[in-house]
Amino acid sequence: SQQGEEDPQALSIQEGENATMNCSYKTSINNLQWYRQNSGRGLVHLILIRSNEREKHSGRLRVTLDTSKKSSSLLITASRAADTASYFCASISNQAGTALIFGKGTTLSVSS
Amino acid sequence: GAGVSQSPRYKVTKRGQDVALRCDPISGHVSLYWYRQALGQGPEFLTYFNYEAQQDKSGLPNDRFSAERPEGSISTLTIQRTEQRDSAMYRCASSPAPVARGRLGVSSNEKLFFGSGTQLSVL
Repeated sequence: SQQGEEDPQALSIQEGENATMNCSYKTSINNLQWYRQNSGRGLVHLILIRSNEREKHSGRLRVTLDTSKKSSSLLITASRAADTASYFCASISNQAGTALIFGKGTTLSVSS
Repeated sequence: GAGVSQSPRYKVTKRGQDVALRCDPISGHVSLYWYRQALGQGPEFLTYFNYEAQQDKSGLPNDRFSAERPEGSISTLTIQRTEQRDSAMYRCASSPAPVARGRLGVSSNEKLFFGSGTQLSVL
């Protein structure tokens, strides 16, 4: 089963533009995380936002969390070709158990 | 080691054979997760451990799948009588903090460190 659903499934932009990806989840959560995966390689943790936080920044990344709408967004500013990857949100449901469940991901393509 | 290590990197087997996939987590990490990922999909949860205790195995597809972590470090995911539908990338991840569910809900959930995975192909 998957707790999160990312939107859009695929996104193509030019270098320098901003990329926004959204994640919706089904049940109340403890925190929500975003991961990046390049070309089928390993997943790398990007950022974690807790349920009592509304916004968090890390370099060119900005994550927001709206628990009332059960949604989160990941903004990548001034994108680069190296940002081309799949991005996944992941969360633990307070109700379903303690496993980190991933969404299906958004595939981002940044062209120069 | 410096990161999560998985072996073998690739495994090709014939339908009906048993396979064992190994995961060596980052030294000192308490939690260990197994996921399966199909091409173009997100990681699908299989099972996880805190120390040597298997906390949740609800993601294991059927009783052909099992996992163990007898000494709280290295873990093995075993698939018996493999079928073609078992073909996928199997990923292991570890985390320094245990995931615990208390009276008020989940008490800890730090980030996961993933290995490079084992690509399993069942012919």
